[in-house]
Amino acid sequence: EPEVTQTPSHQVTQMGQEVILRCVPISNHLYFYWYRQILGQKVEFLVSFYNNEISEKSEIFDDQFSVERPDGSNFTLKIRSTKLEDSAMYFCASIRDRQETQYFGPGTRLLVL
Amino acid sequence: QKEVEQNSGPLSVPEGAIASLNCTYSDRGSQSFFWYRQYSGKSPELIMSIYSNGDKEDGRFTAQLNKASQYVSLLIRDSQPSDSATYLCAANDYKLSFGAGTTVTVRA
Repeated sequence: EPEVTQTPSHQVTQMGQEVILRCVPISNHLYFYWYRQILGQKVEFLVSFYNNEISEKSEIFDDQFSVERPDGSNFTLKIRSTKLEDSAMYFCASIRDRQETQYFGPGTRLLVL
Repeated sequence: QKEVEQNSGPLSVPEGAIASLNCTYSDRGSQSFFWYRQYSGKSPELIMSIYSNGDKEDGRFTAQLNKASQYVSLLIRDSQPSDSATYLCAANDYKLSFGAGTTVTVRA
């Protein structure tokens, strides 16, 4: 069964550094999402992406964040200058149709020191 | 602000019992709802989706939706120790809005 994959599984970085989190969505899916979950808190929507552009973003998704689909398979989340409060699990999800179930990748645990 | 609220838990049930989880949502425009299970340090895993009013059963799980009351529930019958996890309710408005989750512990 096809799965969403994410790399790396863990990333440790220094405050102020740039990080890129990578996702490979399921191949025939058209809508892509990033969510994050700070330890002990709820899963929060960051951004949705369709047809090579952002379709919706949350208040969390400020100018420090960007997404792109550079090669038709990968879907990346970049944080330009990480802050301590960016430490969280980041989940990628994809769907073929917006009413369908979102399937989540295994997540990347980001720790900013 | 679109809110999804879940009963806070934690919920402890003996093995073989029924676990009952509740969720309310604020956005009447939400069309579909999902229950995910999340083990510590892992990603959410889909258990059930429900789109229309009434009950939907899948194995030991039953989801119930009441759009007039803006209420979604999940029943886990014959609870097993492997069901011990955090259960997340999510409302779909072309993105998922999650509740904070209810942690369930099944005592052997």
